[in-house]
Order: sequence, then C-alpha cells, then structure tokens
Amino acid sequence: SQQGEEDPQALSIQEGENATMNCSYKTSINNLQWYRQNSGRGLVHLILIRSNEREKHSGRLRVTLDTSKKSSSLLITASRAADTASYFCATDPWGAQKLVFGQGTRLTINP
Amino acid sequence: DTAVSQTPKYLVTQMGNDKSIKCEQNLGHDTMYWYKQDSKKFLKIMFSYNNKELIINETVPNRFSPKSPDKAHLNLHINSLELGDSAVYFCASSQDPGTGANQPQHFGDGTRLSIL
Repeated sequence: SQQGEEDPQALSIQEGENATMNCSYKTSINNLQWYRQNSGRGLVHLILIRSNEREKHSGRLRVTLDTSKKSSSLLITASRAADTASYFCATDPWGAQKLVFGQGTRLTINP
Repeated sequence: DTAVSQTPKYLVTQMGNDKSIKCEQNLGHDTMYWYKQDSKKFLKIMFSYNNKELIINETVPNRFSPKSPDKAHLNLHINSLELGDSAVYFCASSQDPGTGANQPQHFGDGTRLSIL
C-alpha cells in the first residue's frame, strides 16, 4: 500500500498564519523529502531530512521527523499567497531504490 | 535554462493511437524517472533508468516502453492508448543514489495526456 500519507488532505488559512502538514509512513527509511507542486507545474524539492535527524530548517520551512512514530511534519511560518500549492512528502524506504510519494496536502493561503 | 524539459506539454489523442513523450535533462544526472500522476494527484513511479540502464519497472503495462538513447534523455512511448492512460506524466532526474539514499529529484512540468 501507499507509503506516505499526508494529513490534512486540504488546508485553508489566512495569509500570515502558520501552516502545518503531517506525513505518516509505514517502513524504515533512509530519508524523507518534502516537495511543493504549484498548479500545472512539476514538483519542486524543498527539504530533505535524514533518518538520524530530528529537525531541519530552511528559511520559513521547518521539518521534523519522528522515526519511532514514523511521522514527519512540515511547518510553513508566516504564510504568503505564493505558498498556495500542493505539498507532498516522499519517503526513501530502505533498499527500495525509489521515492514513494503521498497524495499531498492542498494548501490555500487566503489574502 | 530549463533543467528538466518535457515535450509536448499537452497531448490529446484518440484511443488506440501510439504516442511518445520526450524528456531531456541538462543537470548532468545519471538517473532519470517517469511518473504518472492521476486525477487525485497520486504520483506513482513507472520507470527509472541509471546511465541508460533500466533499474525500476513498476508493473506497468507493456504498452509503455521507455527508451534512453543517452543518460540525458529518457523518452516514453505508449502503444494502443486506452482511456485509463489519461493522466499527467512527469519526467524527473537525480544524482545516482548508488546503493545509498535516494537524492532529491528534479521534475519537468509534465505532459497532460488526454485520451478521447
């Protein structure tokens, strides 16, 4: 079955608020990656967190990883209208030679 | 300069036809991929190639045949198109993961295939 599952499926917030998206997975992983997809475009890599890391920051993005719970979260602080997009987590399962993507969270930032 | 480029961007064709999608990357990556994204946004890997050799073939119907003339190109040919083939197809590339962890992938903007 699908490895990564995002929650919520859709999220709508006001500009300036923080947005949190969660990802759960089922097997052991090498790393977990987050991607953004704007409407009509391809996925863009945002951040990679290794299995031995617990937290990582990149600009307004903060990613956490809890391997004991097999879950990760992506926090976007001080959201902007340009953050409106779908966000996907992708897990890198041990020995799989591929990334496995979830179905994404559709984030809408209202001005 | 576009890192991963796919052509065409849109493809509308009749059931039963044969069509090809081309992909090129100028990132110097050794590994390239084809993904299918359905209407629910679920992204599923179809194939991966490393330096022109097939690495992953994910139980895709044999109507789909990838071809990699060199490590910068990975094309996808589809025979006898069916209604269920309607989707967005993405090409991607990455550095060679080797036997280690998979690296970040760079995606093209997709080819929207519609079967009439």
